[in-house]
Amino acid sequence: QVQLVQSGVEVKKPGASVKVSCKASSYTFRNYSIIWVRQAPGQGLEWMGWISGYSGDTNYAQKLQGRVTLTTDTSTNTAYMDLRSLRSDDTAVYYCARGAVVVPAAGKNYYALDVWGQGTTVTVS
Amino acid sequence: DIQMTQSPSSLSASVGDKITITCRASQSIGSYLNWYQQKTGKAPKLLIYAASTLQSGAPSRFSGSGSGTDFTLTINSLQPEDFATYYCHQTYGAWTFGQGTNVEVK
Repeated sequence: QVQLVQSGVEVKKPGASVKVSCKASSYTFRNYSIIWVRQAPGQGLEWMGWISGYSGDTNYAQKLQGRVTLTTDTSTNTAYMDLRSLRSDDTAVYYCARGAVVVPAAGKNYYALDVWGQGTTVTVS
Repeated sequence: DIQMTQSPSSLSASVGDKITITCRASQSIGSYLNWYQQKTGKAPKLLIYAASTLQSGAPSRFSGSGSGTDFTLTINSLQPEDFATYYCHQTYGAWTFGQGTNVEVK
């Protein structure tokens, strides 16, 4: 079945970097975007950015511009999220999700996150 | 950024109840609105997309409506597995989520 499998728990010190992977299976990687979302303990969902599986084009949340980089390796169908200069408030569960065009529309497609990874806990302490 | 405000932040309900969750956008977003369900310790799950279309596999007791700035998620006849947190999500501008609505057992 369609699946996104993420890398394991990370514990980092303030100022360090973390790289989380997200391996896709059972679908054509290039036909979808990968979106990254994080969730701090007891808090809601925060969109971090997306990367096109086809072109590698990216779009980042303004709040994280300059600290986050999203990449893909189409040879292994894997997406990566690299977050630098970690702070304590970066402690969160990080999710990757597949961005699907659920309704094609002239000018602006409708997207939704239809498949999610299991989440990766990143603790900064 | 477009702000998404959900109400209520939490609600208590019983099995069999009909409940409604509201999501308001700070500017018009057309129908670029999705709803997700998240259970404790799990990834979110897509329920509704484009404001009113039920995702494949989602139970028909879930429905969505609205356009522009005001949207609702309705659950008819709440089931035990529906106690969870629900999030709205807009994809019109830079993507943002509502703060969530926790549906708990009365």
